[in-house]
Amino acid sequence: ETGVTQTPRHLVMGMTNKKSLKCEQHLGHNAMYWYKQSAKKPLELMFVYNFKEQTENNSVPSRFSPECPNSSHLFLHLHTLQPEDSALYLCASSQDDGGNGYTFGSGTRLTVV
Amino acid sequence: AQSVTQLGSHVSVSEGALVLLRCNYSSSVPPYLFWYVQYPNQGLQLLLKYTTGATLVKGINGFEAEFKKSETSFHLTKPSAHMSDAAEYFCAVILPFLGGYNKLIFGAGTRLAVHP
Repeated sequence: ETGVTQTPRHLVMGMTNKKSLKCEQHLGHNAMYWYKQSAKKPLELMFVYNFKEQTENNSVPSRFSPECPNSSHLFLHLHTLQPEDSALYLCASSQDDGGNGYTFGSGTRLTVV
Repeated sequence: AQSVTQLGSHVSVSEGALVLLRCNYSSSVPPYLFWYVQYPNQGLQLLLKYTTGATLVKGINGFEAEFKKSETSFHLTKPSAHMSDAAEYFCAVILPFLGGYNKLIFGAGTRLAVHP
């Protein structure tokens, strides 16, 4: 596989469930990102990992918990979500300063019921 | 801090007409500039980028953009719209590497509709 792969593509979960989103990049990049994209709202940067270290957390609620075990994998663990958390969650990766741009996965469409 | 403004959240053109999507940026130093396209329920795909050199850059699907430092703009154009161009387009900026890390800053997006 090439590029950035996100699984699952679609996820429906209840507010009491625990689930995880997975992202894998096959590009040899050293930085990975989670974005949230809600309807009619700008892209929101949630977390940044640089060389596996979390370098940014944009005031994201603790019900979202990221994990970056190595520079190729990124997870977003979800628990006790709210309906307003329903959105498209996008993973991206970049090399160094991102001067060549970010490469995005296809996203996970999350619906919280 | 840098920022990006995309003028017009919705643009509608006829098939075959010129596409012009506007992007202006604010930055303390000339940034790197990008245009991304997003089709429904898909991730963002890089259309083109400007880092240094020639200010007119060509991208995929017949799109091009011109960096105008004096106007702090990076507008996206395509001479002749195709129905398949209907999508959302995002302009983004990042500062050249200054040590540490930078982050890509996105505009709010412009939804392009193409009608027959």
